[in-house]
Amino acid sequence: AQKVTQAQTEISVVEKEDVTLDCVYETRDTTYYLFWYKQPPSGELVFLIRRNSFDEQNEISGRYSWNFQKSTSSFNFTITASQVVDSAVYFCALSEVRGGFKTIFGAGTRLFVKA
Amino acid sequence: ETGVTQTPRHLVMGMTNKKSLKCEQHLGHNAMYWYKQSAKKPLELMFVYSLEERVENNSVPSRFSPECPNSSHLFLHLHTLQPEDSALYLCASSRRDSTDTQYFGPGTRLTVL
Repeated sequence: AQKVTQAQTEISVVEKEDVTLDCVYETRDTTYYLFWYKQPPSGELVFLIRRNSFDEQNEISGRYSWNFQKSTSSFNFTITASQVVDSAVYFCALSEVRGGFKTIFGAGTRLFVKA
Repeated sequence: ETGVTQTPRHLVMGMTNKKSLKCEQHLGHNAMYWYKQSAKKPLELMFVYSLEERVENNSVPSRFSPECPNSSHLFLHLHTLQPEDSALYLCASSRRDSTDTQYFGPGTRLTVL
């Protein structure tokens, strides 16, 4: 069965600190896709990254980086030198190729960045 | 132009009212989704349409009725709702299916009195 676990409910950091948001997933499928979304207070989910199960290369985009470890079924997200504007809820999500139209979202991690 | 729009942004309704939520996507996508986001709960998939055909109906009560007249528009018709239906309702679209990136609208914050 599909499952996505974001064990950190809330994280609070001070501006300029680095912070890592954890995501652990479960799937029986060999082909699947992982996503991260950001939900600021305005409510709209903003797409951050999509990764397929055959691409284990880590990715960096500005202050954001992602560490995909298939061996531990984890897809962690790190923000370097955090800023107040990074304050939001972050969701990790999983879609299986054989899952049709279902995406399983984690419960989300609320990040507070204090000035 | 914003990719996915939703109207209204806020809605307050009584339990006997009938209202509709509207979603429009300008991305040329074939799949559209309705999600419910309640406080302290994960996002719940409600309905999915692919090429105007409903392909997922996630055990949603019949007081929620979706409609997809074309691939750009999606509606959620509401009638005789309960206070526990108060939530943020999010619309999304993707190119083909859920393995593609879903792009979300800003949501409709619904309060049922």
